[in-house]
Amino acid sequence: GAVVSQHPSRVICKSGTSVKIECRSLDFQATTMFWYRQFPKQSLMLMATSNEGSKATYEQGVEKDKFLINHASLTLSTLTVTSAHPEDSSFYICSARETGNTGELFFGEGSRLTVL
Amino acid sequence: AQRVTQPEKLLSVFKGAPVELKCNYSYSGSPELFWYVQYSRQRLQLLLRHISRESIKGFTADLNKGETSFHLKKPFAQEEDSAMYYCALAPGGGNKLTFGTGTQLKVEL
Repeated sequence: GAVVSQHPSRVICKSGTSVKIECRSLDFQATTMFWYRQFPKQSLMLMATSNEGSKATYEQGVEKDKFLINHASLTLSTLTVTSAHPEDSSFYICSARETGNTGELFFGEGSRLTVL
Repeated sequence: AQRVTQPEKLLSVFKGAPVELKCNYSYSGSPELFWYVQYSRQRLQLLLRHISRESIKGFTADLNKGETSFHLKKPFAQEEDSAMYYCALAPGGGNKLTFGTGTQLKVEL
């Protein structure tokens, strides 16, 4: 199947700094990618839908200025956690589906953010 | 709003025993239901979707609209089935997935 890769897989940062997480579709193009957040022993919560060449669509309760999403190309979406605080510590996962395909969503391996 | 409920956080069965992972949903329209699996130290991956009506790795799931359920079943559990299983729902034809809280399946020898 298709591969979605996230980088970094783990990141530790100081409170107040910003962190960028990349999500790449390695062997297919994805007009739309999705960003999820997963707290320990809880479900994946959809944060936003990343649209290539346009603004992301955020779910209710997700701060747009806090979680900046950029989808500059058909194979790359980035999530920047700005002015991170300890409560932003979480597991962030992206997923993507091949453009025009109504089939399977492919998930990245996730990125664990720890804010000290 | 859609909602997916997986009542069991942990399900422990012996090898060879039948398995049923429960999933109930709430959605006013025609949903598309999925089961995703996450093996230890691996990424989330699709196990099956209701519209395919196929059996994957011996698992099946039937959408019961009357009971709003999509339980995952396997007649004989195998050790390699031990994993985290998530039920998910997407509005008909849509991309947005709503996940349940997951059930950890542990198959013991």
